[in-house]
Amino acid sequence: GENVEQHPSTLSVQEGDSAVIKCTYSDSASNYFPWYKQELGKRPQLIIDIRSNVGEKKDQRIAVTLNKTAKHFSLHITETQPEDSAVYFCAASFPGANSKLTFGKGITLSVRP
Amino acid sequence: GAGVSQSPSNKVTEKGKDVELRCDPISGHTALYWYRQSLGQGLEFLIYFQGNSAPDKSGLPSDRFSAERTGGSVSTLTIQRTQQEDSAVYLCASSFTGVETQYFGPGTRLLVL
Repeated sequence: GENVEQHPSTLSVQEGDSAVIKCTYSDSASNYFPWYKQELGKRPQLIIDIRSNVGEKKDQRIAVTLNKTAKHFSLHITETQPEDSAVYFCAASFPGANSKLTFGKGITLSVRP
Repeated sequence: GAGVSQSPSNKVTEKGKDVELRCDPISGHTALYWYRQSLGQGLEFLIYFQGNSAPDKSGLPSDRFSAERTGGSVSTLTIQRTQQEDSAVYLCASSFTGVETQYFGPGTRLLVL
């Protein structure tokens, strides 16, 4: 099955700086890569996703890049703000009728004011 | 429309008792996941239902844990003979298919005394 890893487990940046969070996956057949944000005490919510037919996707201050050869994808947050402080989970899935989404263990991002 | 709902929101029980946690997915979603999240930890996959297929139970930690999904909609997660280590937030998520955006419920916070 798929295995998704996130490193490091924590990341601290100064407000206004950029943050990059990286994930690796194991199954080369995987073709869907979402990122979820979980604020303290709240449920995880999708913030951006990418499919394997594109290399980059942007939405305002966030972007996701995919390197299929190296089997890794990254979340980029520019001009970080304190409200970006949260746990970020990456996930991956491969095609198939019963395929499921596999999550990484999450990275805690702290934005220092 | 209505999102994923879970009940109860909080449950306190005594060690050794059985508990039932309920999840109402978004109408029309064929996929339903259960996760467990201990304090400060990631999303631990428990079980996955996809349409009429046999559920993927590979994440259930012991035979004390079971889940069913009736009529392809509501799901119940049952924990028998609860232990203190079962204390966690139990999250349910649904998606249109197994590999699309997952929408999480608010979770049930279980405390086993």
